[in-house]
Amino acid sequence: AQSVTQPDIHITVSEGASLELRCNYSYGATPYLFWYVQSPGQGLQLLLKYFSGDTLVQGIKGFEAEFKRSQSSFNLRKPSVHWSDAAEYFCARGDKVIFGPGTSLSVIP
Amino acid sequence: ETGVTQTPRHLVMGMTNKKSLKCEQHLGHNAMYWYKQSAKKPLELMFVYSLEERVENNSVPSRFSPECPNSSHLFLHLHTLQPEDSALYLCASSWSHSPGDGYTFGSGTRLTVV
Repeated sequence: AQSVTQPDIHITVSEGASLELRCNYSYGATPYLFWYVQSPGQGLQLLLKYFSGDTLVQGIKGFEAEFKRSQSSFNLRKPSVHWSDAAEYFCARGDKVIFGPGTSLSVIP
Repeated sequence: ETGVTQTPRHLVMGMTNKKSLKCEQHLGHNAMYWYKQSAKKPLELMFVYSLEERVENNSVPSRFSPECPNSSHLFLHLHTLQPEDSALYLCASSWSHSPGDGYTFGSGTRLTVV
C-alpha cells in the first residue's frame, strides 16, 4: 500500500493568492515527513521537514506545513504565492524512503 | 549550486551501448542514493549507499550497476538498456541513512534510450 498520497495532481492559483497542497500518509510509527520542490529540469530541493516537536514547521521560501496526526496529514501552505513558485511539489516519508506522486502547481499572473 | 553535481546532464544511448552516470558531492554526507523519475510515476528509489556500502537495492534490473568508490562519488553503470529505461535519473545525498535526514539532490541526468 502506498505510504504517501497527494490527492491533487494539478493545482492552479492566482499570484498573490494563498496556497495549500495536501499530503496524507498511511499509519505507521513516527512519520518523518518532508516537502520538496522541483523546478523544471532540476532536481528536488528540500523545503521543510517534521519528525517531532512543534506541529507547525517553517521552511524556506515562505512555506510552512502543519502535521496533524488525527488526520494523517502534512499539508503545505503559503499565504501569498509568487509566479516563481510554479513547480512540482513532492511530499515524502523518511522512515519509508517514499515520495508521493507530486502536485504540479501553476501560477496565473 | 546544489552541492550535488551530476554528469552528464543529458545522455542518449543505444540499447547495446555501455555508459555511466556520475554523481559527486562535497557536503561531507555519508549516504548517497540513486532515484529514477519517469513521467507520471512517483520517484523510484533504486540504490542506497551508506558509508560506501550498498544497503538497499530495490529490485533493480541487473542492467543497472551502481558503484560507490568513496563517500563523495557515486556511479550508475548502464548496459543493454531498454527504451522504458528512459527517464530522469537523480542522485541524492544525506548526512546519514537516517529517516530524519533530508536529501540534497543533484539536477539529474536525462537519459534517452533509442
